[in-house]
Amino acid sequence: AQTVTQSQPEMSVQEAETVTLSCTYDTSESNYYLFWYKQPPSRQMILVIRQEAYKQQNATENRFSVNFQKAAKSFSLKISDSQLGDTAMYFCAFGNFGNEKLTFGTGTRLTIIP
Amino acid sequence: SQTIHQWPATLVQPVGSPLSLECTVEGTSNPNLYWYRQAAGRGLQLLFYSVGIGQISSEVPQNLSASRPQDRQFILSSKKLLLSDSGFYLCAWSEGTGVNGEKLFFGSGTQLSVL
Repeated sequence: AQTVTQSQPEMSVQEAETVTLSCTYDTSESNYYLFWYKQPPSRQMILVIRQEAYKQQNATENRFSVNFQKAAKSFSLKISDSQLGDTAMYFCAFGNFGNEKLTFGTGTRLTIIP
Repeated sequence: SQTIHQWPATLVQPVGSPLSLECTVEGTSNPNLYWYRQAAGRGLQLLFYSVGIGQISSEVPQNLSASRPQDRQFILSSKKLLLSDSGFYLCAWSEGTGVNGEKLFFGSGTQLSVL
């Protein structure tokens, strides 16, 4: 079974700074997908970014980008020019190829300080 | 556009009472549907998923059950709640087209407190 580990339970950063959230996973599969979801205080889960394992190019979405290291099984999320609205719980998730069920990490609570 | 509705938002129930949480999706056909539970410090745990009417797969043996009586309706139930059933329950859907790595879209969740 796959496991997803987020080793940083909480982080905080000053507004406008850059922050990186860590995620590692364990799998024996070669084809899979990785996701970062954001859960703000409203508790609504929102997809931030998605990465296909077969793509070497790191995914980017505006201020959000990932550093995908397949050999190291690492998938970190970088938030540039952080904003107060980025304050949320961030979950890393893994999805197998051919299987739409996701395995989630335990989350990192990110606080952006004004 | 597609929307997902989940209710109630908050529920307080005594131990031993029944449970029924409902989730409906609009704007799509034959979605895959999911029930997740979020417990403090444990991330999201997949409870049930469904790829079609009447087709339910259980991920974790427990006190809960799920049903899909209509294409876009997913219900989470229990005959007798336990204290350990407390948590934040999230319904989600995906396109179900067979394309890999599909995104999950979540409802707004139900906070269940069993006392």
